[in-house]
Amino acid sequence: ETGVTQTPRHLVMGMTNKKSLKCEQHLGHNAMYWYKQSAKKPLELMFVYNFKEQTENNSVPSRFSPECPNSSHLFLHLHTLQPEDSALYLCASSLWDFDNEQFFGPGTRLTVL
Amino acid sequence: QKEVEQNSGPLSVPEGAIASLNCTYSDRGSQSFFWYRQYSGKSPELIMFIYSNGDKEDGRFTAQLNKASQYVSLLIRDSQPSDSATYLCAVTATTDSGGKLQFGAGTQVVVTP
Repeated sequence: ETGVTQTPRHLVMGMTNKKSLKCEQHLGHNAMYWYKQSAKKPLELMFVYNFKEQTENNSVPSRFSPECPNSSHLFLHLHTLQPEDSALYLCASSLWDFDNEQFFGPGTRLTVL
Repeated sequence: QKEVEQNSGPLSVPEGAIASLNCTYSDRGSQSFFWYRQYSGKSPELIMFIYSNGDKEDGRFTAQLNKASQYVSLLIRDSQPSDSATYLCAVTATTDSGGKLQFGAGTQVVVTP
């Protein structure tokens, strides 16, 4: 595997479910990001991790819980989501958290029923 | 509220013509500027970055930056049907912890044969 991978690619969940999104980067980068992309809206930065430490939480509701066990893996734990949380969730990585040449994974298309 | 503005399009361009995409930004302290291409159903892919005023050319792509007027543009010469995609402008937001990317909502480009 090369680049940035994400699983699952598609996810349908009910509002009471708990699920997790996984991201893995094979680029030797130290910073990882979660973005939310809704239709016709700009990409919204959610979280930034640098060397496993969270450096940015962009006022994200607590029903989204990130986890970064090491520099190569990033998770987004989801619970009691709302229908308006349906979107494409993109993971990205870069060499450092101030390095803006970010490389994106393919995304997880999330639908909340 | 720092913003990055793009015309949503669609921008219809005949094959072989030049596509011209514009982006304006509100944060005067922004230092780095990026253009990402996003095909439908895919993740963003970095195609150009520019840091200094003036033009930067890479193959059929030219990025133009004018910090005084707070705009950055992307020219696609000899447009091909494979250039049909949404083009996202991204700008660093100045923060104490380093640059954080702010994205525009994107301009959809349709190249017609």
